[in-house]
Formats: sequence, C-alpha cells, structure tokens
Amino acid sequence: KQEVTQIPAALSVPEGENLVLNCSFTDSAIYNLQWFRQDPGKGLTSLLLIQSSQREQTSGRLNASLDKSSGRSTLYIAASQPGDSATYLCAVSRGDSNYQLIWGAGTKLIIKP
Amino acid sequence: NAGVTQTPKFRILKIGQSMTLQCTQDMNHNYMYWYRQDPGMGLKLIYYSVGAGITDKGEVPNGYNVSRSTTEDFPLRLELAAPSQTSVYFCASRPDSRYGYTFGSGTRLTVV
Repeated sequence: KQEVTQIPAALSVPEGENLVLNCSFTDSAIYNLQWFRQDPGKGLTSLLLIQSSQREQTSGRLNASLDKSSGRSTLYIAASQPGDSATYLCAVSRGDSNYQLIWGAGTKLIIKP
Repeated sequence: NAGVTQTPKFRILKIGQSMTLQCTQDMNHNYMYWYRQDPGMGLKLIYYSVGAGITDKGEVPNGYNVSRSTTEDFPLRLELAAPSQTSVYFCASRPDSRYGYTFGSGTRLTVV
C-alpha cells in the first residue's frame, strides 16, 4: 500500500532563506508526483507536476526533484518570502491507476519577516 | 474563466439530514474528483469521474453518491449525514491524467 510522508510537519524560517521540503513515498511505482500549496480557508493550488520519467521541474523560485528509486521528492524554495507562508502538500499518482492521488499530510511553512 | 466553483462554502447539517455539494468547472475538463480533508490529514478520494456518464468509487465512498450528467457538473450527495462526515470537501478537475489538478476553494461541512 502506497504511503506518503512529509517531514517536518511544520517549519518556521526567516525571510530570505533558501529551504527544502521533503516528501517520501513507499512504492516507487508511481505515475507522477505533484506539489500543491494550500492557504488557510482556501483551495489547493498546483505548483509543480513531475512525471515518473522526469528528475525535476522548475517554476520561478520553486524547484521540485524526484528520485523514484529512493522514494523521495524535495521542493526547494529559493529566497523565501512571507507570501510563501502556507501548507505544502505532495501527492503521488499510483502506477496502476493514474486516477487516484495518495496524499501526504503536508508541511506548514511560516516565513518570518 | 471561473475555474472550479464549489457551493456552498460553509454548511451545518443535523445528523440524518441530506444535502448536495455542488461543483462546476468551465474548462471542459474530462476528469473530476471529490476529496475530503480531515484536520491534520492528507486528502482522501471519495469519488471520481473520467467523463460524462462515468463515475467510480475512491478510497472513502461510503455515505456519498455522485452523478455526472454533463461535463461541467459533478455534484456530491450526502445521505443521512453523520458526525464522521464533518470535514472540508474539495472538488477538482483536470483535462486528463497527463496534467495537474485545478481545485475549488472547498466546502466546510459540520454535522451536529
């Protein structure tokens, strides 16, 4: 059974720092992996989608990497800003069914001005 | 372009009542999903649809029903509400499995 874990559950860093959020999964047979951002009381915003054949994706100050063999993905945020404060969730699509996402519980990120 | 629209945003139900959570998307996406998110937990899939007239169960379908009569609409029906259904419900869509998801802003449901 696929399980997705995000550690730490919460992270607080000063503005301007570069930081890394971690996501691990137990079954390497994934179709793709996605990172989302969730703001309080709001929906989820898709940040980056990495197909199983890819190693990384970049969007602005965000870079996500994927290492299927080790069951890990990282989300790198460069030059963090207070507006980056949110909960970041990762989710994997199962290899045998690309319809269903298996979600981590998220990392709550606070960027201190 | 409104994206994915969910109504209502908040609702309080009494045990045993029924209601329908509405979800509409204007992006002509084939795939639509209903998730629930409990505090401190990841999202869990309730039902999904890969096109009009096609629906299938996810991880936690018990107590819910869906229909997909049009591409745009994917309502979620709760019958005989129970306190265990207190949660935040998210609807999402995407064109097909190659693409990322677009989420609605959610419906916060409390059953008392």
